Amino acid sequence: NAGVTQTPKFQVLKTGQSMTLQCAQDMNHEYMSWYRQDPGMGLRLIHYSVGAGITDQGEVPNGYNVSRSTTEDFPLRLLSAAPSQTSVYFCASSYAGNQPQHFGDGTRLSIL
Amino acid sequence: EDQVTQSPEALRLQEGESSSLNCSYTVSGLRGLFWYRQDPGKGPEFLFTLYSAGEEKEKERLKATLTKKESFLHITAPKPEDSATYLCAGAARNSGNTPLVFGKGTRLSVIA
Repeated sequence: NAGVTQTPKFQVLKTGQSMTLQCAQDMNHEYMSWYRQDPGMGLRLIHYSVGAGITDQGEVPNGYNVSRSTTEDFPLRLLSAAPSQTSVYFCASSYAGNQPQHFGDGTRLSIL
Repeated sequence: EDQVTQSPEALRLQEGESSSLNCSYTVSGLRGLFWYRQDPGKGPEFLFTLYSAGEEKEKERLKATLTKKESFLHITAPKPEDSATYLCAGAARNSGNTPLVFGKGTRLSVIA
């Protein structure tokens, strides 16, 4: 099993560009979430989903969109990239909210 | 507001020097306390889940314990390969499927 797979691993964007960070899991988990990790700030929740067709906002949702059309995939879209979105992005999945989350290895995103 | 606070922010140990990392939480109706290990450039890796006060879990040189207000990760006779950032997270009972609340982590360095 691959677990949680994130692509790309690295990306450099210019301010104003848009892009989609991909996340796929092969564990049949209903629960998926996106975090950003910044120095000194820890992991902050962006958006999460409790199943296909259901998404909700986390702590820092502004500037990001998500959708969940299948159980396996949970893409994160940056609509108009800003330097403040430079960060490491992690996707995670679990069976339920109080179960251990399995993380991908992250996407390192730089916005110039 | 649910919060998880970890201390110290950083800890430097000599190989073989046992110590403990602290995770204090103010999470309403805690329904799970999670410990993760994160290596540089990688996503967090699940270590333990604790569900009730008095519970203990062990894995190699690590032992996690839980009280009504805090959790400890005890490291016995650490080795250089135990160097990593250790993250603590809590799941609140009354928050439905809201994902975990993470602390900012303790960065552990074990010197040979």
